Amino acid sequence: DADVTQTPRNRITKTGKRIMLECSQTKGHDRMYWYRQDPGLGLRLIYYSFDVKDINKGEISDGYSVSRQAQAKFSLSLESAIPNQTALYFCATSEGRATNEKLFFGSGTQLSVL
Amino acid sequence: EDKVVQSPLSLVVHEGDTVTLNCSYEVTNFRSLLWYKQEKKAPTFLFMLTSSGIEKKSGRLSSILDKKELFSILNITATQTGDSAVYLCARRHGNQFYFGTGTSLTVIP
Repeated sequence: DADVTQTPRNRITKTGKRIMLECSQTKGHDRMYWYRQDPGLGLRLIYYSFDVKDINKGEISDGYSVSRQAQAKFSLSLESAIPNQTALYFCATSEGRATNEKLFFGSGTQLSVL
Repeated sequence: EDKVVQSPLSLVVHEGDTVTLNCSYEVTNFRSLLWYKQEKKAPTFLFMLTSSGIEKKSGRLSSILDKKELFSILNITATQTGDSAVYLCARRHGNQFYFGTGTSLTVIP
């Protein structure tokens, strides 16, 4: 079973719709992240959370919101989807250690906004 | 902005060739530099480098960091078709990770 699970795997939606991408993890990690990947732009951080009561904006948070429902769950919402939010979205986790910190990724959600 | 630049953007080689992928960055103080392999969807961890000049090795893959010149390289020897993937490097600064755009490697039989 995957340690970091994202649902759905693929989603097609229309402009203006509200959608939610979900992430759950069984790694017991405190830190969770949402990234988007666009061709030629690499991975860019949308939001991150270091514990249940902690939410932080990343470099491209406009148009997105998140909810950390539990240590193991971190969801990403697009309040009113627009076509330039078409991208591959990744959830990731990390332990929260001072050294040797690394990210563990889910399998991604391919989102298409028409 | 903590820019991370990878080169080349893409590379096509034949099986058995050796390749060197480059990752350069702009700031001098950071905690670590990481390499990931992305085959279809999820990036998977390859190496973490924290000290300059110390090579990390795993089978045919190796990586080294040069903190003075602000770059890292990932070497793959005797490439196989299974090495075809996008290779990402990321720099950890504080509590965030900054990714490069990746190098797309295609290994043809």
